[in-house]
Amino acid sequence: AQSVTQPDIHITVSEGASLELRCNYSYGATPYLFWYVQSPGQGLQLLLKYFSGDTLVQGIKGFEAEFKRSQSSFNLRKPSVHWSDAAEYFCAVGPYNQGGKLIFGQGTELSVKP
Amino acid sequence: EAGVAQSPRYKIIEKRQSVAFWCNPISGHATLYWYQQILGQGPKLLIQFQNNGVVDDSQLPKDRFSAERLKGVDSTLKIQPAKLEDSAVYLCASSLAGSHEQYFGPGTRLTVT
Repeated sequence: AQSVTQPDIHITVSEGASLELRCNYSYGATPYLFWYVQSPGQGLQLLLKYFSGDTLVQGIKGFEAEFKRSQSSFNLRKPSVHWSDAAEYFCAVGPYNQGGKLIFGQGTELSVKP
Repeated sequence: EAGVAQSPRYKIIEKRQSVAFWCNPISGHATLYWYQQILGQGPKLLIQFQNNGVVDDSQLPKDRFSAERLKGVDSTLKIQPAKLEDSAVYLCASSLAGSHEQYFGPGTRLTVT
């Protein structure tokens, strides 16, 4: 079965602290992996994506993610969190060989303490 | 470049009523998606169009939901009759044909009372 698991429903970090959001996936074929961010009342914005090559990918807003095939994981990281990073973060997986349906995790809500 | 447009942004209806949502994708994007996002969950695909043809509607509750994309541009999603469990945000996304990168609209928040 195809699925994405984000184990942490809610995370709170202090401004300036580092961040890691976890994502594990189950997918029958070579996956195309994504992280999206959703601010209140807004649609989803793509942070970064991975399908091949260097397993550490850089995205917008200072985010990066590391693909680990052996662990079926694609964790999102940021060295220093800003208050504006407070939002909901979604990991998603899609088919490798063409555009198509994305399967999303349930999301992780990030709160940032001053 | 204009993004994906959706209207209305908010809608409140009573159960058993009907409702329609509209989506205008990014110009030139052949592929259009409708997702349902229930509170506390990630988005779930309802239907995918390629131009004006349906690619995937396996998770669309066809007894009450319908969608069309006439002329391969704008799309409408309709619910008739609505149930309480249809309360959700309905997201429209579009992409270039064959692209993995989907661009999302702001969504329509539906509340069924």
